[in-house]
Amino acid sequence: DIQMTQSPSSLSASVGDRVTITCQASQDISNYLNWYQQRPGKGPKVLIYDASALETGVPSRFSGGGSGTTFTFTISSLHPEDFGTYFCQQYDETPYTFGQGTTLEIK
Amino acid sequence: QVQLLESGPGLVKPSETLSLTCTVSGGSLGSYYWTWLRQPPHKGLEWIGYVHNSGDTDSNPSLRSRVTMSLDTSNKLSLKLNSVTAADTAVYYCVRGRGMATIPFTLWGQGTLAIVSS
Repeated sequence: DIQMTQSPSSLSASVGDRVTITCQASQDISNYLNWYQQRPGKGPKVLIYDASALETGVPSRFSGGGSGTTFTFTISSLHPEDFGTYFCQQYDETPYTFGQGTTLEIK
Repeated sequence: QVQLLESGPGLVKPSETLSLTCTVSGGSLGSYYWTWLRQPPHKGLEWIGYVHNSGDTDSNPSLRSRVTMSLDTSNKLSLKLNSVTAADTAVYYCVRGRGMATIPFTLWGQGTLAIVSS
């Protein structure tokens, strides 16, 4: 299975801050990576697909980048509603696998 | 608006079979790929597998011998996991892919918690 290592596991930031999360794949997955946001008690929501494509309706402050084994997810200017858990997911091959998640707390 | 609702027994005894249903409201199964995922308490998501009305299906090798996924009616799908242990305690999600693809997971249910305990 492809292992996805996500960091940091948690972070606390202030409104307006720039936040970056990293996901490392155990092997080359090209750009077959998605990013999801999960708020407490809710099902996750896709924000970025194909490593860098912004899902329809998702604010442009969210962005993704990278290819191969190293990927980044960035919120350019943090909003209060951005709290929750973010995780990456590879779909280069099955079984699809996920990062462990990054819990984002708003200070 | 299409919504997904997972349902199940909540509590299952070890060695028994966990049976879950996902009901699609406001729509039908159509020709989408339907995937089951789970998330143990305080852990990451695990992909269980997907099923499609063409017969295309795939599942996680770690669960393959114990899992059955099916499309039951025009708006219901089910997951059965046999010989459960405490390690199968998790929130189980039913999700739908985009268009004719399995990925990305664009529509999620709220999830249903299944606890394995005697």
